[in-house]
Amino acid sequence: QVQLVQSEAEVKKPGATVKVSCTASGYPFSAFYVQWVRQAPGQGLEWMGWINPLSGATKYAEKFQGRVTLTGDTATDTAYMQLTGVTFDDTALYFCARDKNNFADYWGQGTLIAVSS
Amino acid sequence: SYVLTQPPSVSLAPGKTATITCGGNNIGGKSVHWYQQRPGQAPVLVIYNDNDRPSGIPERFSGFNSGDTATLSISRVEAGDEADYYCQVWEFTTDLFVFGSGTKVTVL
Repeated sequence: QVQLVQSEAEVKKPGATVKVSCTASGYPFSAFYVQWVRQAPGQGLEWMGWINPLSGATKYAEKFQGRVTLTGDTATDTAYMQLTGVTFDDTALYFCARDKNNFADYWGQGTLIAVSS
Repeated sequence: SYVLTQPPSVSLAPGKTATITCGGNNIGGKSVHWYQQRPGQAPVLVIYNDNDRPSGIPERFSGFNSGDTATLSISRVEAGDEADYYCQVWEFTTDLFVFGSGTKVTVL
């Protein structure tokens, strides 16, 4: 069955860089884009970007341009989201999701990133 | 950028039909997808391509999309349907995912 398993929660200080992993199984990893979405406490879903694991092509939401980098490793079927220069406003639950055809049909369990001094 | 507008909340008694709207400029020309998110959990796809249901989603969930409004309907609503619901489209001109603001469904 399709599964996306994300890395564990992390606490970061302001200005730090965080990297979240998302390991896929149960389907050909290279055949589907991976979407990244975050959710701040008590807030709605916020789309961050997507990556085509086969080509490495990416697309980012304007808000995160210059701060987020999405990558994929087809050898380990793992997608990564790296966010630099984190602030308190980046405290959120970060999700990866498989893109079926411009919608997300399977989601990871989420990774909590807490920014605290 | 493309904006999707949802009502913040919908409250209703068990057994009734919940109707959640998602407004957007000519949204009827796009494919709309809906997600259910229970507290503390990852979102779950409940409707894709306006009115298709993934395997395992009850027939009580249905969708419609026309003009400037898409709707998600949940018939015979149950306590287990209490959750936040988000609509989503892919904005093809900019190649961006767009989520609605979310609607909290409360079963009284």
